[in-house]
Amino acid sequence: GAVVSQHPSWVICKSGTSVKIECRSLDFQATTMFWYRQFPKQSLMLMATSNEGSKATYEQGVEKDKFLINHASLTLSTLTVTSAHPEDSSFYICSARLFSGGRTDTQYFGPGTRLTVL
Amino acid sequence: GQQLNQSPQSMFIQEGEDVSMNCTSSSIFNTWLWYKQEPGEGPVLLIALYKAGELTSNGRLTAQFGITRKDSFLNISASIPSDVGIYFCAGTNTGNQFYFGTGTSLTVIP
Repeated sequence: GAVVSQHPSWVICKSGTSVKIECRSLDFQATTMFWYRQFPKQSLMLMATSNEGSKATYEQGVEKDKFLINHASLTLSTLTVTSAHPEDSSFYICSARLFSGGRTDTQYFGPGTRLTVL
Repeated sequence: GQQLNQSPQSMFIQEGEDVSMNCTSSSIFNTWLWYKQEPGEGPVLLIALYKAGELTSNGRLTAQFGITRKDSFLNISASIPSDVGIYFCAGTNTGNQFYFGTGTSLTVIP
């Protein structure tokens, strides 16, 4: 089946530093990838939609200068949390859209990255 | 963004019991997806539905795409402890936007 990897799985950093999270589709090409943030016991909150070769589309209220997204290839999207602060601590999950033609449109998720900012 | 109404919010059941949960939307979708998420992990796709009225099974799981295209149901038969987790529904039309349900937290008591 379709596999999406995410790296790192857990990162702890000091306040003010930047953290990069990678999302890779391992066995398929994904023109569209999504970045979510999830708080404990809550549903997924879409942060941005990343399209290969173009600028990401950010959801309302998400700072694009704070959360830099780059979708440089059909298998890799990165999220960089710049000048991280404790309130940025969260579980970040990426996903990749797999479109098999016709009406078979599915989204596969990575395992998530736990970010803790001290 | 739009969130789908998912119910129940949480369930506590005895091992061996069957489970039913549903998801409703104010707008129609071409695709319904069901995911399971365990603590500290990303959601895992369980079942994908692409046609109104479609009934699809994956082991003990069965999901249905509602005829109105505004709802979907997930059933789990003969629950076991490893079924514990949060179940999310999701709907999409274009594949560029996926709308998620609020989640159903399932606890299975041995």
